[in-house]
Amino acid sequence: EAEVAQSPRYKITEKSQAVAFWCDPISGHATLYWYRQILGQGPELLVQFQDESVVDDSQLPKDRFSAERLKGVDSTLKIQPAELGDSAMYLCASSLQLTYEQYFGPGTRLTVT
Amino acid sequence: AQTVTQSQPEMSVQEAETVTLSCTYDTSESDYYLFWYKQPPSRQMILVIRQEAYKQQNATENRFSVNFQKAAKSFSLKISDSQLGDAAMYFCAYTSGTYKYIFGTGTRLKVLA
Repeated sequence: EAEVAQSPRYKITEKSQAVAFWCDPISGHATLYWYRQILGQGPELLVQFQDESVVDDSQLPKDRFSAERLKGVDSTLKIQPAELGDSAMYLCASSLQLTYEQYFGPGTRLTVT
Repeated sequence: AQTVTQSQPEMSVQEAETVTLSCTYDTSESDYYLFWYKQPPSRQMILVIRQEAYKQQNATENRFSVNFQKAAKSFSLKISDSQLGDAAMYFCAYTSGTYKYIFGTGTRLKVLA
């Protein structure tokens, strides 16, 4: 069964350092989502791509976060510089265009020290 | 703005018994989708069940069923014959035309042997 891949699974970084996460969606899925999930809370959407275009990045802290999906397939989420409050699980999800069901990857757990 | 509320931070159920998890939402849309997702410890989030708002019939997937009350904006999940593998965080989620998911804060389900 096809799955969403994410790497790394765990990342520890010091504050003010740069960090990057990678996501490979299910083949053929045009829509890709990045979520942040703080411990004890539900996921919150950071950015949504339709193919290579950003559809919604209203909740992305653009002063330090950036996301790209250059060829409309895999995607990278970057944080620079990382802050203590960025410690969270970063989830990637994908879906077929014009459908509602999202498939989630295993996530990257980020710890900023 | 749409909101999703899960008022039960934690629930416990005896193995083989039935448990109901609560979810309420707020929206002015008439057409939308509701979901229950399961997030086992250190594992990816998976879809348990979905409900289209225009369908009056409650969705059912094996031991999982929902009680969808559109007028009351209520969407509860019933798990019958609970199993140890059902232990997880359960998230209620809402989406409409933007395909953007709004999640509740989750309910941690413990299954007692």
